[in-house]
Amino acid sequence: ELKVEQNPLFLSMQEGKNYTIYCNYSTTSDRLYWYRQDPGKSLESLFVLLSNGAVKQEGRLMASLDTKARLSTLHITAAVHDLSATYFCAVDMKEYGNKLVFGAGTILRVKS
Amino acid sequence: DAGVIQSPRHEVTEMGQEVTLRCKPISGHNSLFWYRQTMMRGLELLIYFNNNVPIDDSGMPEDRFSAKMPNASFSTLKIQPSEPRDSAVYFCASSFVQGVTEAFFGQGTRLTVV
Repeated sequence: ELKVEQNPLFLSMQEGKNYTIYCNYSTTSDRLYWYRQDPGKSLESLFVLLSNGAVKQEGRLMASLDTKARLSTLHITAAVHDLSATYFCAVDMKEYGNKLVFGAGTILRVKS
Repeated sequence: DAGVIQSPRHEVTEMGQEVTLRCKPISGHNSLFWYRQTMMRGLELLIYFNNNVPIDDSGMPEDRFSAKMPNASFSTLKIQPSEPRDSAVYFCASSFVQGVTEAFFGQGTRLTVV
């Protein structure tokens, strides 16, 4: 069974600080996705990571993938209030017909 | 493209009633997912389809839930009879699977069963 675990589940941080969200998964997969969800809204795709060592960056967010360790990270640099949201990682299982399974999500609150 | 379209956006129904949620995926996408989101259980995959065929419905909580995809542009999720514990936000998502399963989500249906 594919399991996707995120930590921390809740993160409160000051503006200007750096922090990393971790996503571990239990099966071999070289495709990992990060999504953002604002309160009361739908999920928005942030990053698609398709191979070992992949790194994607947009603004203050940078995502990376280590398929050997079955680990992805989402690094936040110099946080700002607008980054407050819930962040999900998701992994798909090609051997199960591309079943897409999400982690529990990390609630990020950036305090000014 | 207008994206994934779900209807209704909000549904309030009485316990025991039948509820049907609808989804129109992005044109050209060949996979469709139904998720349920609650505070307690997070985002749960209920069922997903590839090329209109259900691949895995192991996440469907009980026989009261059923889903269909009669063609590439339409899917329904039905709950009959509904119960208060079914109250949640139900999301539909679609993707074009060709090595990548980046899913695009609809706006969701907020279901309240009273």
